[in-house]
Amino acid sequence: DAGVTQSPTHLIKTRGQQVTLRCSPKSGHDTVSWYQQALGQGPQFIFQYYEEEERQRGNFPDRFSGHQFPNYSSELNVNALLLGDSALYLCASSLGHNNSPLHFGNGTRLTVT
Amino acid sequence: DAKTTQPTSMDCAEGRAANLPCNHSTISGNEYVYWYRQIHSQGPQYIIHGLKNNETNEMASLIITEDRKSSTLILPHATLRDTAVYYCIVRVAWGSARQLTFGSGTQLTVLP
Repeated sequence: DAGVTQSPTHLIKTRGQQVTLRCSPKSGHDTVSWYQQALGQGPQFIFQYYEEEERQRGNFPDRFSGHQFPNYSSELNVNALLLGDSALYLCASSLGHNNSPLHFGNGTRLTVT
Repeated sequence: DAKTTQPTSMDCAEGRAANLPCNHSTISGNEYVYWYRQIHSQGPQYIIHGLKNNETNEMASLIITEDRKSSTLILPHATLRDTAVYYCIVRVAWGSARQLTFGSGTQLTVLP
């Protein structure tokens, strides 16, 4: 039973470019959330997708956008990259809106130069 | 979600119990206490959660005070692989508010 998988594991981009990160949720999960973790800090919530719609959003600009596909996988897109976007991007999956805990992937390390 | 306060760092001898405290004095009646940990270079890992009763699973025990203003995560026999940042989070469990609000956590170092 595969857990949450994210790709790529590492990525280097230049300021102003655009990036797409991908996530496959744990088998049986239908809800995907994305978090940004800067070095030395706790993860910060970006947004959550359920039934292919963005359900909640954290305090991130609209340069950050996402998508959820019918198979529950998800993408995170970041446009017009800034140096400050360098971080570990974590995907977490869960089952619906119940009490089930979130399962995290090991993240994508994005470096913006 | 209620704010939590945790010590920045703690050490524990291998084989001993690790007791990680968390204060959440503004917790509401419908908020649960969750614990996650993050081993270096990995994503956070769910450990345990509870509402008001003490909870135990194969990883740890969670002790919540009667007034629910604080809790303690107990790793009964810490190993070197338990070295990680431990996050205490309180949040409403049900409904659409599914995001976790992470603080800075406690860096637990298990010493040989």
